[in-house]
Amino acid sequence: EIVLTQSPGTLSLSPGERVTLSCRASQYVSSNFLTWYQQKPGQAPRLLIYGASTRATGIPDRFSGSGSGTDFTLTISRLEPEDFAVYYCQHCDISPWTFGPGTTVQMK
Amino acid sequence: QVQLVQSGAEVKRPGASVKVSCKASDYNFTSYGINWVRQAPGQGLEWMGWISTNYGDTNFAQKFQGRVTMTTDTSKSTAYMELRSLRPDDTAVYYCARDHYHYDSSSYSQTHYFDYWGQGTHVTVSS
Repeated sequence: EIVLTQSPGTLSLSPGERVTLSCRASQYVSSNFLTWYQQKPGQAPRLLIYGASTRATGIPDRFSGSGSGTDFTLTISRLEPEDFAVYYCQHCDISPWTFGPGTTVQMK
Repeated sequence: QVQLVQSGAEVKRPGASVKVSCKASDYNFTSYGINWVRQAPGQGLEWMGWISTNYGDTNFAQKFQGRVTMTTDTSKSTAYMELRSLRPDDTAVYYCARDHYHYDSSSYSQTHYFDYWGQGTHVTVSS
């Protein structure tokens, strides 16, 4: 099973700041199959980035994804108030298709 | 627009079974598989398994093998997830999510992700 580790666990930031979230896989993951989701309290997850770097429809360009192999990154160039949420990475490479434990981005 | 609408909250006794439905609309149901993902209170997301809406093939996380059944009714554009022998630690929000797999034969590239999610179904297991 591919284990995804996300860091940091929690970030306390202010609107306008730049955010870099890390997702590390225990073994190689094709970038085609690495996805980022955003989840707000009481809501279902929302697709943000697929294929490691492609923004989903309607996702603002302040969100970007990068990485390959075992190291992937989600960057928010300038935090907006609506971006405070939990962010999960996930892979659909070898089954089981696991999620990382999530990074919480909270307001300072 | 694409929607996945799930059945309502359930309260079950330990040892019972629960069956959650997920009704799809505004797309060709058999063109995309359905995944089931759960989230225990205050915890992260856990993938349970996938079903092909075209052929009924399934792929389950080992943790749920033997205890979960996933089915579809294509005439109703609805997927179902049944979990048996419930325990208190099965208390969670259960989500269905559309499986988006694309293979581009011209570039030999693939992508695979979950693009639309249901609203979630709260399942509480308590004596």
